[in-house]
Amino acid sequence: DQQVKQNSPSLSVQEGRISILNCDYTNSMFDYFLWYKKYPAEGPTFLISISSIKDKNEDGRFTVFLNKSAKHLSLHIVPSQPGDSAVYFCAASGRTNFGNEKLTFGTGTRLTIIP
Amino acid sequence: GAVVSQHPSRVICKSGTSVKIECRSLDFQATTMFWYRQFPKQSLMLMATSNEGSKATYEQGVEKDKFLINHASLTLSTLTVTSAHPEDSSFYICSAREVGVTEAFFGQGTRLTVV
Repeated sequence: DQQVKQNSPSLSVQEGRISILNCDYTNSMFDYFLWYKKYPAEGPTFLISISSIKDKNEDGRFTVFLNKSAKHLSLHIVPSQPGDSAVYFCAASGRTNFGNEKLTFGTGTRLTIIP
Repeated sequence: GAVVSQHPSRVICKSGTSVKIECRSLDFQATTMFWYRQFPKQSLMLMATSNEGSKATYEQGVEKDKFLINHASLTLSTLTVTSAHPEDSSFYICSAREVGVTEAFFGQGTRLTVV
């Protein structure tokens, strides 16, 4: 049961244009959402997050939008740069049955920025 | 962001032997640490959550006796893969979170190859 889904396995964007990565979730108990960037053979790097009480959070070139009614979030990168080429994971935070908070990850989207 | 160090980054071992992977939070106290496994082109799958000083809680399908987790201090958690088999070959990643902070920071990952 994939509770967090990233339906686009890959995305190519021209340098300087906007990259939009999408993520859908099914569990309405998730209360915090995060985006991570990952290079091959490395651990993920935290990018940006958003609480479920907000609908937008911006940090430099990165903006995350949350639509709770649609259970959808997106990450916008503008302008896109070659160094943004990586795999991006969407993650949702919620409590397990044991009371711990855990992150549930999507399957990732490979973003390629074309120079 | 906070720094999480994972060691070793790569390890090759023979079938039947045990391998220990260390995860350290370098500049904060990690009350909770998480261990993930990533198969090629797949998402990060949570294996277990460990809280300092208590037993780890394992996700469904993860063998406790095979993947031993110890979180003896606020800055160190270890994952020991016991009696390793070739199917245990994978990329293992730890993450750590400080109390009161939702963002989790990741180690660099460990590429385990069992021959």
